[in-house]
Formats: sequence, structure tokens, C-alpha cells
Amino acid sequence: KAGVTQTPRYLIKTRGQQVTLSCSPISGHRSVSWYQQTPGQGLQFLFEYFSETQRNKGNFPGRFSGRQFSNSRSEMNVSTLELGDSALYLCASSYTRDTDTQYFGPGTRLTVL
Amino acid sequence: GENVEQHPSTLSVQEGDSAVIKCTYSDSASNYFPWYKQELGKRPQLIIDIRSNVGEKKDQRIAVTLNKTAKHFSLHITETQPEDSAVYFCAAKDSNYQLIWGAGTKLIIKP
Repeated sequence: KAGVTQTPRYLIKTRGQQVTLSCSPISGHRSVSWYQQTPGQGLQFLFEYFSETQRNKGNFPGRFSGRQFSNSRSEMNVSTLELGDSALYLCASSYTRDTDTQYFGPGTRLTVL
Repeated sequence: GENVEQHPSTLSVQEGDSAVIKCTYSDSASNYFPWYKQELGKRPQLIIDIRSNVGEKKDQRIAVTLNKTAKHFSLHITETQPEDSAVYFCAAKDSNYQLIWGAGTKLIIKP
């Protein structure tokens, strides 16, 4: 099976712009979670989608949003970009929400200038 | 809500020695505890996990122990090698099915 894929891999934006990141989960996986990782920092949870519904949300401002499509692919959107949004954005998929392993994608490196 | 604390933040051990990383959690309903390894510039990858009905699990040089009463779990790496150098994250899945992550431990293997 193909792994989790994320596009684009690298992105450079300027303050005030908006950005959309995409995540394709492993085939058959229905749960997709998104994380923000800044240099030297841990994994900050953004949100989780399962069956096209947001199930959990982390402590991020409303500028961060997401959605999931019927094929389980997910997108996250960040509006009105700030310098502090520069980070590696990782998505992870799992078969179910219960105790299944989360498999991470390679991430999208976002730089805000 | 669930809270996971991970210690130490940095661990330096001599090659060949053992390394132990400890995590505590607060939600007694948590039932799944994975450990991930993230090498520099790479994605986190699962190295071992344990479910709440098991007290210990081993996979070659890696083992995880779980003490449900004390609400803590630990990662043990024996006979450390240079390729074990990485950041290790613990996590606990809470009653809302959300993975709550520890802050990470940077493991340095000294030659």
C-alpha cells in the first residue's frame, strides 16, 4: 500500500495570504489528524477528521480550518498567515479512531515571509 | 482533559548502554500508548505500542512497560547504537480517541 502523501512538500507565502495543504491517507484509512511542528518543538494537535466530520480540535485560532472528503482525503487551510505559522505541518492517518496506529506523511514545510 | 508528561527532555548515553524514557498520563480511561521515533528531517514513525490490557511488550532491543495504577509508561532501549539517536515521543489515546503527545526526548548516543 502507498503511504500517506502530502502536497505540496514546500511552500513559501507572505504574511496575510492564505494557504491550503492536502493530505491523502493510506487506502482504507478513514481517520486523518493534522499536527503543527516547529523547530525543536513537539507535535501540536490541530484537528482530527473521521467520516468527513471533525471529531477533535486542538487549541489553535479560527484561522486554522480543515475538511475531509468522501474519499478520506483531507485539506487544511490557514487564512491571514502570520510569521509564527512557519512550521512543518504533518498529517497522519489511521484505519479507525480507536487504538489503531497513526501513520505520518512526510509533511509540508510552510515558510511565511 | 488528558495530559502527558515526558522525561527527560534530553538523554545522553554511551553507545552500548541502555536508555529509559518515562511518561505519565492523567486520564485513567486512556487505553493505547504508542512510542514514535523522529530522526532529523524525517517523519515520526511508530517503534512500539502497548494497549492497556498488557503490562509489557518487547521487540528486539526495544521494550515498553505500562503501570496502569501509577499511570505511567516507559520506553527501554538496550544496547544502544548510533542509529538510535533521534527524538522520541510518547502518546496516550484518551477517552475522546485523541492522541495526547508528550513533549519529546532527544536521545544522544555518544560513541
